[in-house]
Formats: sequence, structure tokens, C-alpha cells
Amino acid sequence: RKEVEQDPGPFNVPEGATVAFNCTYSNSASQSFFWYRQDCRKEPKLLMSVYSSGNEDGRFTAQLNRASQYISLLIRDSKLSDSATYLCVVSNQAGRRALTFGSGTRLQVQP
Amino acid sequence: DAGVTQSPTHLIKTRGQHVTLRCSPISGHKSVSWYQQVLGQGPQFIFQYYEKEERGRGNFPDRFSARQFPNYSSELNVNALLLGDSALYLCASSLDDREAFFGQGTRLTVV
Repeated sequence: RKEVEQDPGPFNVPEGATVAFNCTYSNSASQSFFWYRQDCRKEPKLLMSVYSSGNEDGRFTAQLNRASQYISLLIRDSKLSDSATYLCVVSNQAGRRALTFGSGTRLQVQP
Repeated sequence: DAGVTQSPTHLIKTRGQHVTLRCSPISGHKSVSWYQQVLGQGPQFIFQYYEKEERGRGNFPDRFSARQFPNYSSELNVNALLLGDSALYLCASSLDDREAFFGQGTRLTVV
């Protein structure tokens, strides 16, 4: 079983749609949680950190459920520029920050 | 400010050869990590260095080695290359274990 599991997609949605991605992680000792965005043939870039209380950044909302070991990302009012692969990431080692990535969920926003 | 820089950007090697990849972190960042990303997968952790000391090692064979220099730049070395080593190699730097910033990567093709 993979440490971080994501639905690979692709999710094909029209502009303006709301789309949600989910992710589960297997290590209950995981301490930090992130969503990264990766455009085709580019490096990953941090989209947002994920906190137990939930957090929002503009059109993006992330939630963490430690009991269920589940992380989500909600994108509202999708833009064409949101088309990318979204990587769910956990950090398991205190003080070390070795990141464990999911395989990513591909989003294609269509006009 | 310059971001994380990696060299070379692309490389083609023959099976059995050796390769050295280089990374310069963001100025002031003391932590450098290396990741391997094969097509269709998320990045996989290889090594982390902090203040020239190895702080973490992923599940990679001994053919993979790395080091960090006094100026915090880093090298990743891979010996006896296999076809399966073909991947995008990503370097990430961070300040005190906070957000990881990735370089554009080195795309290695082993033929």
C-alpha cells in the first residue's frame, strides 16, 4: 500500500466549476501536510499547507481529518490556469521534513 | 533573488555510466533535499542534507550518493546507471525545515 494515495484522475471540469480532490495517508505519525501543484514538465510548487482547523486561500480550501487520515482540497470557480497536477504531500519525520508525495491528481479545466 | 538552480537541465547517459547532478539552494537556505520523479508518479525522497550532514535517506540503492558543500550547494551522484534511473531529479532547498522550494530539475535519460 502506498503511503499517500490519490485518485489519479483526470478530472475534466468546465470553467467556473467546483472540484474536490481527496487524499489518504497511511502513517498516523505524519506531522505536516501540504498540497503542491505541478505543471506539465515543471517543478512542484507549494499551493498551501493544510491544518487541522482547515484553511482557505482565495478559491482554494484545504481540510485535514487526522482521525480518518484524510486530506482534501476544494477549488471553487475553476480557471483554465488551474489545469495542472495536484500533489498531496505529508511529512513524517519531525525535524527532517522528508516529504512523501502522492502520485498526483490531474485536473483539466475546459473552456 | 535566484531560486534553486540545478545543472544540467537535461542529460543522456549510457547504462553502466556514472552521473553527477548539481544543485545550488536559495541564498541562506541550509537544507537541501533530492527527489526522483519518474513519469506518472510523484517525487520520491532520496536524500536530505542540513549543514553538510546527511539527515535522511530514502529507499534507494547504494549506487546513489550525495554530499553538501560548505556553501550549501549539493551534488547527487549515481553510479552504474540503469535504464530505470531515467527520471526527473529534483532538488529542493528550505530554511529551517519550512517550505521546500524546488529547482526546475534535471531530466536524466539512460539509454
